Amino acid sequence: EVLLVESGGGLVQPGGSLRLSCAASGFSFSTYWMSWVRQAPGRGLEWVANIKQDGSEKYYLDSVKGRFTISRDNAKKSLYLQINSLRGEDTAVYYCVTTGHSSTWYYFDYWGRGTLVTVSS
Amino acid sequence: DIQMTQSPSSLSASVGDRVTVTCRASQDISSYLNWYQQKPGKAPNLLIYASSTLQSGVPSRFSGSGSGTDFTLTISSLQPEDFGTYYCQQSYNTWSFGRGTKVEIK
Repeated sequence: EVLLVESGGGLVQPGGSLRLSCAASGFSFSTYWMSWVRQAPGRGLEWVANIKQDGSEKYYLDSVKGRFTISRDNAKKSLYLQINSLRGEDTAVYYCVTTGHSSTWYYFDYWGRGTLVTVSS
Repeated sequence: DIQMTQSPSSLSASVGDRVTVTCRASQDISSYLNWYQQKPGKAPNLLIYASSTLQSGVPSRFSGSGSGTDFTLTISSLQPEDFGTYYCQQSYNTWSFGRGTKVEIK
């Protein structure tokens, strides 16, 4: 069974930092692109960042470039998101997501339960 | 950036009704379109990818169609468990989601 468990969320002041983690199990982690997707309270889904299997390629939502850093440790089967210079609009549930594919078609097939980040003074 | 526009933003339908949700991309995305269902307090669940391919385990009453800029998700006979919010997502150039369509059961 595929399991993705996020941790590291919490209440942080504007301008602060957090490091989110995602522990993966039940699949071959090192063979998957991985992503972070967030959802502000009562709002829709927003892709934040993704990373290639070996970490050599990383892509970010424009509004988080320079503040967020995605990384992974394949030996530990873990995905990370370092988030700095936090703003109120970063308040959201952050989901760890596998990027599956069939031929050239890519999609988010497995999701964790999410970890809540609240930015407030 | 590719913008995804869904309509309607919400709908209410009866069990057994045929329900249609539409999604429009701001540019041609071929068939790089996915659909997800999200229930309150839960993570989204992949329903359809590549515009019309049903994900394993998803009931056959769900179907998708379209290519280019216009896409449709259809529930052929709405069931009580189909309540939730449905999102389209393009995977043509990075990723972006529509704002969602909330489906309620009358």
